Amino acid sequence: ILNVEQSPQSLHVQEGDSTNFTCSFPSSNFYALHWYRWETAKSPEALFVMTLNGDEKKKGRISATLNTKEGYSYLYIKGSQPEDSATYLCALAEVYGGSQGNLIFGKGTKLSVKP
Amino acid sequence: NAGVTQTPKFRILKIGQSMTLQCTQDMNHNYMYWYRQDPGMGLKLIYYSVGAGITDKGEVPNGYNVSRSTTEDFPLRLELAAPSQTSVYFCASSRIAGVSYNEQFFGPGTRLTVL
Repeated sequence: ILNVEQSPQSLHVQEGDSTNFTCSFPSSNFYALHWYRWETAKSPEALFVMTLNGDEKKKGRISATLNTKEGYSYLYIKGSQPEDSATYLCALAEVYGGSQGNLIFGKGTKLSVKP
Repeated sequence: NAGVTQTPKFRILKIGQSMTLQCTQDMNHNYMYWYRQDPGMGLKLIYYSVGAGITDKGEVPNGYNVSRSTTEDFPLRLELAAPSQTSVYFCASSRIAGVSYNEQFFGPGTRLTVL
């Protein structure tokens, strides 16, 4: 079973701080890497889907990079705001095969931004 | 568009009871998924479906059954509820699996407690 690791498990920052967290995955099984944002009492929402080594994606103050050769992705939040408080999930799309496009999720990084 | 809807939102079952968790999507997505989310764990795939009439097991299928008679609906059945099935259940759908931009759209979740 593939393992997707996220670190840190949780993070507490002050409003205005910039922060980043990591998603690690087995580079040999890479097909695509997803990032989701999951607010408490809501459902996960897709942030980015990344496929190519060196990919960089950006949405407002949130950006992500991808290194498929070494098996990691970083998510960056610039100038954190309280509304950024959420759990950030990464998920690896398995190599296309018997399990078509299923995602293996990490446990998430829970971000709390204090005003 | 309502997106992905799930009913019920909450349910308490006694050991040995059965129930069906309903999931409907109105985006004409081919692929649908059921996940469970336990505290401190990532989302685990229970079952998935690649289209009407086709279903397959995910990582944790024991104790569950699914059917997919229409594109829109993907119910999850618990036949003999056990305390180990206490969890939050998420249904998700995606347009196409196995391609890079396969973001998944999640329902609001069903919180199930088995006593």
